[in-house]
Amino acid sequence: EIVMTQSPLSLSVTPGEPASISCRSSQSLLYSNGYNYLDWFLQRPGQSPQLLIYMVSTRASGVPDRFSGSGAGTEFTLKISRVEAEDVGVYYCMQARQIPVTFGPGTKVDIK
Amino acid sequence: QEQLVESGGGVVQPGTSLRLSCAGSRVSFSSYAMHWVRQAPGKGLEWMGTISHNGNQKYYAASVKGRFTVSRDNSKKTLYLQMNSLRPEDTAVYYCARDVSPITDLGMRFEDWGQGTLVTVSS
Repeated sequence: EIVMTQSPLSLSVTPGEPASISCRSSQSLLYSNGYNYLDWFLQRPGQSPQLLIYMVSTRASGVPDRFSGSGAGTEFTLKISRVEAEDVGVYYCMQARQIPVTFGPGTKVDIK
Repeated sequence: QEQLVESGGGVVQPGTSLRLSCAGSRVSFSSYAMHWVRQAPGKGLEWMGTISHNGNQKYYAASVKGRFTVSRDNSKKTLYLQMNSLRPEDTAVYYCARDVSPITDLGMRFEDWGQGTLVTVSS
């Protein structure tokens, strides 16, 4: 099983400032087709998770372009260029490289 | 976007069974794989199982394999999770999620999510 870790586990951000979350996997998420299978989700308070980014860097439908993803192999990063109040919640990375699909522990983001 | 509505949660005793349902809204429900993900109170997300578009392929987490069964009825646009031999550690909100592919053992994608249904296993 691929183990996912995230850092930091909590983050307090001033609106308008950038934020960055790191995600690491215990094994490479690179498949022979050249794709890395790493996704990011946001779970706002009291809501279901929503897909933000899939395959490292592709934004899901309707996701603002202030969200971006990067990385390859075992190290990945989610960046928010300018945090807004609606970005509060828990961010999870998830590997879909192999079964079982596994999630990181989550990073809780709140507003200062 | 697919609208997904879970139902069937409740309070049950250890060792008993429960069946959850997830109703889809689109005619194309039968075109994509579906997933179950759970979240224990105050905890993170845990993938439970996946079923291909036609029900021929199924995958399970080790923690539930042999106890939980994923199935679907495409004529009713409904996904099911049959949970047997329930344990207190199965207490969680259970979400269904839609993939974008019909069959997926690589690159599962949880595109749309339901609102979740709470299962509490307690004596």
